[in-house]
Amino acid sequence: GESVGLHLPTLSVQEGDNSIINCAYSNSASDYFIWYKQESGKGPQFIIDIRSNMDKRQGQRVTVLLNKTVKHLSLQIAATQPGDSAVYFCAESLLSGYSTLTFGKGTMLLVSP
Amino acid sequence: GAGVSQSPRYKVAKRGQDVALRCDPISGHVSLFWYQQALGQGPEFLTYFQNEAQLDKSGLPSDRFFAERPEGSVSTLKIQRTQQEDSAVYLCASSLVPDGEKLFFGSGTQLSVL
Repeated sequence: GESVGLHLPTLSVQEGDNSIINCAYSNSASDYFIWYKQESGKGPQFIIDIRSNMDKRQGQRVTVLLNKTVKHLSLQIAATQPGDSAVYFCAESLLSGYSTLTFGKGTMLLVSP
Repeated sequence: GAGVSQSPRYKVAKRGQDVALRCDPISGHVSLFWYQQALGQGPEFLTYFQNEAQLDKSGLPSDRFFAERPEGSVSTLKIQRTQQEDSAVYLCASSLVPDGEKLFFGSGTQLSVL
């Protein structure tokens, strides 16, 4: 289930389950969104991105869904594996002008074998 | 290596000491960003370079923070007279294109100010 820990919301799943991580972004003008995975002691690792002219984009085992009406982004991970355990951040920016990436607060995904 | 490289990996400084953090971006990447990440938080923007030009430094928390990228490749983030609140992980990221699409991050420098 999903719970709010001391610092980060945490999603705990069993190996093989599908995981859905949600993110609410702040700027309705943002037109570019990225999901990053961050393991302990490492920098954020690019997973998948999506531009605002799309609602859905699929990668290998991952799918990003974008709902601009409610400013919501989700990351779906199929057949979650223990190696997927990490903190996941969504980030938004404005490519049509110039802006930097603004990161959300992050969700910790814990995958049990 | 092919990724963004940062050094040192860890830095312990006494309060009041000056520190310099180095970033080697991916070769040929035009954009370079510095971010600060506090424990349990997402990275927060500090400054942005396009080649050697520092186009945005609006995220630098005070005038004790200074960044440079004199030849458009390696960048250094300098913090003068460090304070305890400067303790964080400092992340460098680079991108092939000017608008910062698909940023690739280094592993960061963990700065602890005692």
